[in-house]
Amino acid sequence: EAGVVQSPRYKIIEKKQPVAFWCNPISGHNTLYWYLQNLGQGPELLIRYENEEAVDDSQLPKDRFSAERLKGVDSTLKIQPAELGDSAVYLCASSPGLKTGELFFGEGSRLTVL
Amino acid sequence: KNQVEQSPQSLIILEGKNCTLQCNYTVSPFSNLRWYKQDTGRGPVSLTIMTFSENTKSNGRYTATLDADTKQSSLHITASQLSDSASYICVVTTSSSGTYKYIFGTGTRLKVLA
Repeated sequence: EAGVVQSPRYKIIEKKQPVAFWCNPISGHNTLYWYLQNLGQGPELLIRYENEEAVDDSQLPKDRFSAERLKGVDSTLKIQPAELGDSAVYLCASSPGLKTGELFFGEGSRLTVL
Repeated sequence: KNQVEQSPQSLIILEGKNCTLQCNYTVSPFSNLRWYKQDTGRGPVSLTIMTFSENTKSNGRYTATLDADTKQSSLHITASQLSDSASYICVVTTSSSGTYKYIFGTGTRLKVLA
């Protein structure tokens, strides 16, 4: 069974440019998460989806970040415009939605903003 | 405030030696605790899950303990191998009002030397 798939793995852009990350969760997993991870730190939640509904986006900087999960499967995270401080790894994770459910992470998308 | 603290921040050991990583949490209500292993450039992968009633759980050379009274957990690695070099992240799940959240520690970076 395929795991969580993310693309691109690496992205280098100049500040003020837009960037988008894509995530395909494990089949059947209703819950999808986007996390931001800075070097040497643990993941920080940006947004959580239950099917196509964003149920927790309190930590998403909505002035420049947006996300969508059309049809409750794939998801896209967008940054526009990117700032130097956005350089980080963006991790997508999915879970079956159970209370004790394990998080299954993708490989991450590493963003460098110059 | 819900927090998960890990120690040490980083650790270097020789191949074949044992080590113990610590996780202290102030998370309430407590649902479960997981240890994740994150290889460089990869997403975290679950090693073990500990529920309130469990004291010890093993997964190969990895043994996790949980003391719910003192709110402490440890991850013991026996006979370390070069492939154990990674970050180890402690994650506590909390639930309230039918929703649940994952509280991440900042991780312990382990380096195993030949």
